[in-house]
Amino acid sequence: DGGITQSPKYLFRKEGQNVTLSCEQNLNHDAMYWYRQDPGQGLRLIYYSQIVNDFQKGDIAEGYSVSREKKESFPLTVTSAQKNPTAFYLCASSTGVLVEQYFGPGTRLTVT
Amino acid sequence: ILNVEQSPQSLHVQEGDSTNFTCSFPSSNFYALHWYRWETAKSPEALFVMTLNGDEKKKGRISATLNTKEGYSYLYIKGSQPEDSATYLCALNSGNTPLVFGKGTRLSVIA
Repeated sequence: DGGITQSPKYLFRKEGQNVTLSCEQNLNHDAMYWYRQDPGQGLRLIYYSQIVNDFQKGDIAEGYSVSREKKESFPLTVTSAQKNPTAFYLCASSTGVLVEQYFGPGTRLTVT
Repeated sequence: ILNVEQSPQSLHVQEGDSTNFTCSFPSSNFYALHWYRWETAKSPEALFVMTLNGDEKKKGRISATLNTKEGYSYLYIKGSQPEDSATYLCALNSGNTPLVFGKGTRLSVIA
């Protein structure tokens, strides 16, 4: 089955801890993305990567970091510098930046 | 940051009613307009990608139109069914940049 997996579905962390969210795709897509969704907001872009070993900041990159060491994987680390980390995080991939994206099921992160 | 506006924010319709909603966007530097459907507990799924002014796309009972000169797109659902209940997202490619999403229109179809 081709698709995008995100794990875990729910994640709980204490304030001050870094946490890494997983995103894996087997669609052979070059581009991958991380979005954040908050109540009443649209999807906001955190980081994106158009190719392995390269990534760019999105609109709300502060307090987050990413890596793209493999084509299939684009993990997102939510650092302690992110002031409001509690949110729903969606990962997506596509063959390029200008075409439709395929989304994973999301991870709901709660930081207390 | 580009501003993509969707209206209404939410909508309740009776089963069998037809409905439509709007996506507005800046018309300068337009490349493509995307519509996605996001059902509860599922992942967003692409409905349409539209690039040309005057484009019309159709998938079953759902269709969309695009006006790039005035900066809007309409999504129409004919004979709404309960399974059409979802949030409909509009997103814009401008230049060579990733998608910018609107906040969505939440549709509830009452049986």
